[in-house]
Amino acid sequence: QSALTQPRSVSGSPGQSVTISCTGTSSDVGGYNHVSWYQQHPGKAPKLMIYDVNKRPSGVPDRFSGSKSGNTGSLTISGLQAEDEADYYCSSYGGSYTPYVFGTGTKVTVL
Amino acid sequence: EVQLLESGGGLVQPGGSLRLSCAASGFTFNLYAMGWVRQAPGKGPEWASVISGDGGDTYYADSVKGRFAISRDNSKNTVYLQMNSLRAEDTAVYYCAKDPYGYRGYFDYWGQGTLVTVSS
Repeated sequence: QSALTQPRSVSGSPGQSVTISCTGTSSDVGGYNHVSWYQQHPGKAPKLMIYDVNKRPSGVPDRFSGSKSGNTGSLTISGLQAEDEADYYCSSYGGSYTPYVFGTGTKVTVL
Repeated sequence: EVQLLESGGGLVQPGGSLRLSCAASGFTFNLYAMGWVRQAPGKGPEWASVISGDGGDTYYADSVKGRFAISRDNSKNTVYLQMNSLRAEDTAVYYCAKDPYGYRGYFDYWGQGTLVTVSS
């Protein structure tokens, strides 16, 4: 199963909103409501930010929100802050033999 | 507080073997599936393997199937990854991670990772 496709980079000024897309197929993103998003700072482990398309784990700010349309999931960061500068990866359930499919990653830069 | 601590990484020659360990604490270990996810330098994460809470079910990515074996010892709250016939493309940071709901495509807690370098 191929990696999910994300834009290589997005940027925004503090206070603005940015949206990251995650494009898969009907066998993964489009087939299940199990899209998730991770934030990764340099040298650190990924941190779960969104699961099941639009649910936030405890402690994740409500500035982070998720959605899905067809084969594409999206992560929106509202009110961008300096600490949001990081790499973001999506993932999706991909069926019983490939339960975890990750995206190619997007670098978010706060201008 | 959930903690996952990996160990066992290092430098190994192509064709060699390595066994990674992940010690877990802060949750009821035997209730949760555990996985290994690797991340090559400058690349995105890649799922490698996952094992059910009771150890009865295991799954592998095609890239490691037949070479890697995942196991767990619930009496020691530890999950293992035995890696054989290692190749240069297996070079990566290997993370141990907890699956909160059972194969729904995500992990809620990750360890700090252990680096595996395959090189002569």
